[in-house]
Amino acid sequence: GQQLNQSPQSMFIQEGEDVSMNCTSSSIFNTWLWYKQDPGEGPVLLIALYKAGELTSNGRLTAQFGITRKDSFLNISASIPSDVGIYFCAGPEETSGSRLTFGEGTQLTVNP
Amino acid sequence: NAGVMQNPRHLVRRRGQEARLRCSPMKGHSHVYWYRQLPEEGLKFMVYLQKENIIDESGMPKERFSAEFPKEGPSILRIQQVVRGDSAAYFCASSPSYSSPLHFGNGTRLTVT
Repeated sequence: GQQLNQSPQSMFIQEGEDVSMNCTSSSIFNTWLWYKQDPGEGPVLLIALYKAGELTSNGRLTAQFGITRKDSFLNISASIPSDVGIYFCAGPEETSGSRLTFGEGTQLTVNP
Repeated sequence: NAGVMQNPRHLVRRRGQEARLRCSPMKGHSHVYWYRQLPEEGLKFMVYLQKENIIDESGMPKERFSAEFPKEGPSILRIQQVVRGDSAAYFCASSPSYSSPLHFGNGTRLTVT
């Protein structure tokens, strides 16, 4: 099946710093989704991208759908302690839009 | 406006017992999905259901696992004769239509002793 590779696996930053993480695939995705998961909770949708080249913001978060359709990145500006969590990229599988493939996640730690 | 509700939040079973996980989708959502998450990993698709129908169960193990979404009541994921390897967090998600983004519940953490 399709695979999504996220990097970095983990990040340790100071409060106030900007963060960038990305997601790549060997195959094309027509939709890119970014989720955040807090400890003990389910993933929460942050941003959905539907068009190659699309750049979308949600508060301090900005995500882009790569032109090749094989990658996406998520930026967080001016990080705060509550940004701590695991960030997942996801996309519907080519053979079945009902199945989402998830990356392995980027664990973000923000030091106050 | 309640989100996706899953219960129980934590479930402990001994090897060989049955586990039943329940999921009530968001109001107005008729599409339900189950995903499994092992520690330190991403979520893996198990099954996709609409009311009274299993649409895609390609991610579900062939034996011991079953899912249903009856006309009335929550969706149920049932694991018979649990083994230690079934220990994981099981997440339910729902959406109002096929192509809409998924909204996840807070999961059921199953521990098999």
